[in-house]
Amino acid sequence: TQLLEQSPQFLSIQEGENLTVYCNSSSVFSSLQWYRQEPGEGPVLLVTVVTGGEVKKLKRLTFQFGDARKDSSLHITAAQPGDTGLYLCAGDGSKDSSYKLIFGSGTRLLVRP
Amino acid sequence: EPEVTQTPSHQVTQMGQEVILRCVPISNHLYFYWYRQILGQKVEFLVSFYNNEISEKSEIFDDQFSVERPDGSNFTLKIRSTKLEDSAMYFCASSDAQGAYYYTFGSGTRLTVV
Repeated sequence: TQLLEQSPQFLSIQEGENLTVYCNSSSVFSSLQWYRQEPGEGPVLLVTVVTGGEVKKLKRLTFQFGDARKDSSLHITAAQPGDTGLYLCAGDGSKDSSYKLIFGSGTRLLVRP
Repeated sequence: EPEVTQTPSHQVTQMGQEVILRCVPISNHLYFYWYRQILGQKVEFLVSFYNNEISEKSEIFDDQFSVERPDGSNFTLKIRSTKLEDSAMYFCASSDAQGAYYYTFGSGTRLTVV
């Protein structure tokens, strides 16, 4: 069974601080995605990483896919209150190109002004 | 920007009743999915649908569940006889020809079974 573990589960930081969120698995994934989810809304795709060792940047967010494609990290520089939300990682867990996603349990981030 | 539309946003139903959750995926997408999220828990895969048939389903997706794409634009999830434990947010998603690389999720239907 493929599982994705996210850490930490909760993070409360002051505006301007940096943070890193981790997504780990014992399984290899062909791709990993990061989403942000607001209360009562669906997940919104932030980025997809595909190649082992790949680094993608989205403004103050930096995403990295591990060399072995088993883990990923999300680093936020100079966090702002608008970054508050639930961050989810999800891996492509499909066997026969069904493209089903396996989600982690999420990291809930609170950025205090 | 194209979006996945789900209706209704909230549905309350009596235990044992049938419910149909509706979704309009993005028009040029090829893959369609249903996921659910029980309050405070992970987002869980239910079913994927491609070329007018189910391509994969989870253990959750038992005989009480069915999906249909009746008219080429709508994508529906039917729960035949709802149970209390079916209460959850149900998310429809669609993706393009690249499959898992680019998903778009709808805003969800909150199903409450009483």
